Amino acid sequence: EIVLTQSPGTLSLSPGERATLSCRASQSVSNSYLAWYQQKPGQAPRLLIYGVSSRATGIPDRFSGSGSGKDFTLTVSRLEPEDFAVYYCQHYGSSPLTFGGGTKVEIK
Amino acid sequence: EVQLLESGGGLVQPGGSLKLSCAASGLTFNTYTMSWVRQAPGKGLEWVSSISGFGGRTDYAASVMGRFTISRDNSKNTVYLQMNSLRGDDAAFYYCTVVGSGWFEGWFQNWGQGTLVTVSS
Repeated sequence: EIVLTQSPGTLSLSPGERATLSCRASQSVSNSYLAWYQQKPGQAPRLLIYGVSSRATGIPDRFSGSGSGKDFTLTVSRLEPEDFAVYYCQHYGSSPLTFGGGTKVEIK
Repeated sequence: EVQLLESGGGLVQPGGSLKLSCAASGLTFNTYTMSWVRQAPGKGLEWVSSISGFGGRTDYAASVMGRFTISRDNSKNTVYLQMNSLRGDDAAFYYCTVVGSGWFEGWFQNWGQGTLVTVSS
């Protein structure tokens, strides 16, 4: 089973700042099989990124993903008020599908 | 627009059973793998189970293997999750999801709003 560790647990930033979220895997993630989700309070998660760096339909280009092997990053170039939320990474391509523990991006 | 509507959640005693349903619309249902993902209140996400487009392949998390059964009825565009021998750690919001195009073990591209399962005596 691939264990995903996200850091930091909480990120305190101001609107307009850049957010950099980390996701580290316990073993190499093959073929860039990594996705990112955003979840706001009281809502279901929403797919942001799949295949490490491909944005899902309707996701603004201020969201970008990068990385390879064991280390992956989600970057929000300039935080908008609606971007303050919890973010999860997920590996796929082999069972069990697993998620990281999440990073909360809160308003400073 | 893809819509997923879960139902069937509620309060159940430990050891009891519950069957969740998810009605899908806005997609060619039998071409997609469907999955259930759960989230205990205030906790993270956990994949529970997946079923392929025509139901010939299923998979389960170790935590629910042997207790939960996933199935689908493509004539009704509906996926189900039969949950037996429920335990306290099964209490969670259960989300129905559509797996990314063409994949069995893929990303979760669409999510329902979730249905809450509470396990308590």
